[in-house]
Amino acid sequence: DIQMTQSPASLSASLGETVTIECLASEDIYSNLAWYQQKPGKSPQLLIYYANSLNDGVPSRFSGSGSGTQYSLKINSLQSEDVSIYFCQQNYDSPYTFGAGTKLELK
Amino acid sequence: EVQLVESGGGLVQPGASLKLSCVASGFTFSDYWMSWVRQTPGKTMEWIGDIKYDGSYTNYAPSLKNRFTISRDNAKSTLYLQMSNVRSEDTATYYCTTRTTSFDYWGQGVMVTVSS
Repeated sequence: DIQMTQSPASLSASLGETVTIECLASEDIYSNLAWYQQKPGKSPQLLIYYANSLNDGVPSRFSGSGSGTQYSLKINSLQSEDVSIYFCQQNYDSPYTFGAGTKLELK
Repeated sequence: EVQLVESGGGLVQPGASLKLSCVASGFTFSDYWMSWVRQTPGKTMEWIGDIKYDGSYTNYAPSLKNRFTISRDNAKSTLYLQMSNVRSEDTATYYCTTRTTSFDYWGQGVMVTVSS
């Protein structure tokens, strides 16, 4: 199975700040990487697919990058509504595995 | 608007069976692969399996393959997850999702608690 190591596990940032979440795959996943946002008490929502493609309706302050085994999610100008858990997930090979999540809170 | 509504969860005893349903609307259900994903109380996410748009092919997480079965009824726009011989570690919120390159749309989830 492909292991997805996500960091940090938790993150505290101020409004307007830029934050970055990292995801490391145990092998090359050829950009088959998605990011999801899960707001408190809600189901996950797709933010980014194919490592850097923004899903419809997702604010442009979210961006994804990376290749090979290393990927990142960047949130510019943090807003209060961005308080969530963020998950990375590989779609390269079955079983399709997730990172452990990053809990983003406001400072 | 895409809607996925899961049902069938609840409290179940270890060793029992349970069948979850997911009714889809707002898109042509028979055109889409579908998936089940679960999330434990500790927030760990686990892919359970996929089913092809016509139901002719399924793919499962190896650890669950012998106990879980995914099926669909395109005439009813409904996805199913049959769970058998459930264990305490199956306690989770179960989500149905559409499946293209990622898990695109998610239902609201249904909780399953396995306990005696």
